[in-house]
Amino acid sequence: EIVMTQYPATLSVSPGERATLSCRASQSIGNSLVWYQQRPGQAPRLLIYGASTRVTGIPARFSGSGSGTDFTLTISSLQSEDYAVYYCQQYKNWPIGTFGQGTKVDIK
Amino acid sequence: EVRLVQSGTEIKQPGDSLKISCKASGYTFDTYWIAWARQMPGKGLEWMGVIYPGDSDTRYSPSLQGQVTISADKSISTAYLQWNSLQASDSGIYYCARLLVQGIIGDSWGQGTLVTVSP
Repeated sequence: EIVMTQYPATLSVSPGERATLSCRASQSIGNSLVWYQQRPGQAPRLLIYGASTRVTGIPARFSGSGSGTDFTLTISSLQSEDYAVYYCQQYKNWPIGTFGQGTKVDIK
Repeated sequence: EVRLVQSGTEIKQPGDSLKISCKASGYTFDTYWIAWARQMPGKGLEWMGVIYPGDSDTRYSPSLQGQVTISADKSISTAYLQWNSLQASDSGIYYCARLLVQGIIGDSWGQGTLVTVSP
């Protein structure tokens, strides 16, 4: 099983500042990685797939990068609605997909 | 607009059976895979299994094989997740999601169904 590890577990960021979230796979997954945002009490929302392709309608301040085992989600200028938990998930082997444990972005 | 609307909160006892639903609209139901995911209290997410409503091809996570049943009725654009005998450890929030063609990627999600199993 491919294990996904996210860090840090919690990231405290001031509004308007940049947030950088990391995700590491236990083995190479190419670019088979997605990022989701989950606000309290809501379902996950797909932000990025293919490691770097932003979903239609997702603001440009969200960007994804990386390949192989190391990936990054960057939020360039945090807005109030961006405070949430972010999950990475690999989808290398259909239909198996594993999530990271999440990074909570909270207000500094 | 793609919408997935799930059935409501369930409170059950250990040993009970349960079937929760996910009704899809806004797209051709039988041409996209649907997946079920669970989120245990205060925990992360886990995919449980997938179904292709067009031919009912179903695959399960190896860790959950035999514990749940996933089905779909394409005549009413609805997918189901079913338990024959609930355990306390099944308590959590269950989500359905439509999958992109690229893989097990949920591009649209239901609102979630809270299942509580308690004596």
